[in-house]
Amino acid sequence: GAVVSQHPSRVICKSGTSVKIECRSLDFQATTMFWYRQFPKQSLMLMATSNEGSKATYEQGVEKDKFLINHASLTLSTLTVTSAHPEDSSFYICSAIRRGNTIYFGEGSWLTVV
Amino acid sequence: AQKVTQAQTEISVVEKEDVTLDCVYETRDTTYYLFWYKQPPSGELVFLIRRNSFDEQNEISGRYSWNFQKSTSSFNFTITASQVVDSAVYFCALSEAIQGAQKLVFGQGTRLTINP
Repeated sequence: GAVVSQHPSRVICKSGTSVKIECRSLDFQATTMFWYRQFPKQSLMLMATSNEGSKATYEQGVEKDKFLINHASLTLSTLTVTSAHPEDSSFYICSAIRRGNTIYFGEGSWLTVV
Repeated sequence: AQKVTQAQTEISVVEKEDVTLDCVYETRDTTYYLFWYKQPPSGELVFLIRRNSFDEQNEISGRYSWNFQKSTSSFNFTITASQVVDSAVYFCALSEAIQGAQKLVFGQGTRLTINP
């Protein structure tokens, strides 16, 4: 079964609204999670590193005020896309690191902004 | 900076043919990991293999095999006797190790189509 779960798997929102995507580690604690974005027919690009109890570290070119990341517990990181626009439509996927440096990816979330 | 190059954007072969997906990487780290993932149309990433930079042994798993060559910074993936179900986008990735955690740098991906 899934070790890292993302929710929702698909979401459609109106332009200008905000949408939250959750990433949960189901049976282990993850002090660090990563958020990636994948535009259609492109590669996966790291957006940010989510650190439990502290601020996220954003990659160059990613707007931290637009993509809010909260890692409030050892099993949950959330990505909120604020004031979404159609160009934010993408596939968002998270990963969590389990003891022993094993990387687990969530199932991914398809965001469509209309 | 770390970089992964998958020069083949798309490959199309007929079922039962063998096919090799190329992956070339750049890194200044002496310790790193290399990965291959399969991404079907549904989007999830299916883990195929992780290889430590100190282990250059080639690996075979069923119809899949991997050739790791540090001298040429390559980590190629071969599917033998391809099947239609192998059709997907395949990503090669390289890890940066940050205090035990790992973020991945992905190649551009190779879209593999196996025709019946």
